[in-house]
Amino acid sequence: GQNIDQPTEMTATEGAIVQINCTYQTSGFNGLFWYQQHAGEAPTFLSYNVLDGLEEKGRFSSFLSRSKGYSYLLLKELQMKDSASYLCAVRSVTGTASKLTFGTGTRLQVTL
Amino acid sequence: GAGVSQSPSNKVTEKGKDVELRCDPISGHTALYWYRQSLGQGLEFLIYFQGNSAPDKSGLPSDRFSAERTGGSVSTLTIQRTQQEDSAVYLCASSLVDNSYEQYFGPGTRLTVT
Repeated sequence: GQNIDQPTEMTATEGAIVQINCTYQTSGFNGLFWYQQHAGEAPTFLSYNVLDGLEEKGRFSSFLSRSKGYSYLLLKELQMKDSASYLCAVRSVTGTASKLTFGTGTRLQVTL
Repeated sequence: GAGVSQSPSNKVTEKGKDVELRCDPISGHTALYWYRQSLGQGLEFLIYFQGNSAPDKSGLPSDRFSAERTGGSVSTLTIQRTQQEDSAVYLCASSLVDNSYEQYFGPGTRLTVT
């Protein structure tokens, strides 16, 4: 089966940098996604990593180490609107079936 | 339409009644997913369709839950004899082909079983 761990809550200051970690254990790993979910809204896609290394997209970057089963989402120049839950999701493939398993999410609170 | 749509947006039902939730994916997306999210919890995978077939039904919590997809488009999730523990937000997502592409989520249906 799959096991995904991420911190439950984090707090950071506006303008700062925050790193949200995600560790996973899975068989048939084939990619890791990060989603953002504001309270009462549907998740929206942020990033996708399938190879080791850093993917940068504006203020957001995502890193993956497959050998360590580890990823992080880095948010720079934090804004109040970044207050949301951040969901780590792992894609696994078994035979011809693929599956996306979500972690429980990290609730980020950005303060003044 | 421009995005994934779901109906109804809110549903309140009595325990023991059947409910049907609808999902309209993005046009041209062949893959469709149903998830459940309870208050303060992560997304729980329910079922996944590739076209009209469901290669993975492993997430359906009991035989009271079923889903179908017709014409490679609209999907319905049916919950029979609803229980209070079925109360949650039911989210539908679609992607271009399969899980290797980003999933676009609908706004969800908030189901409350009284």
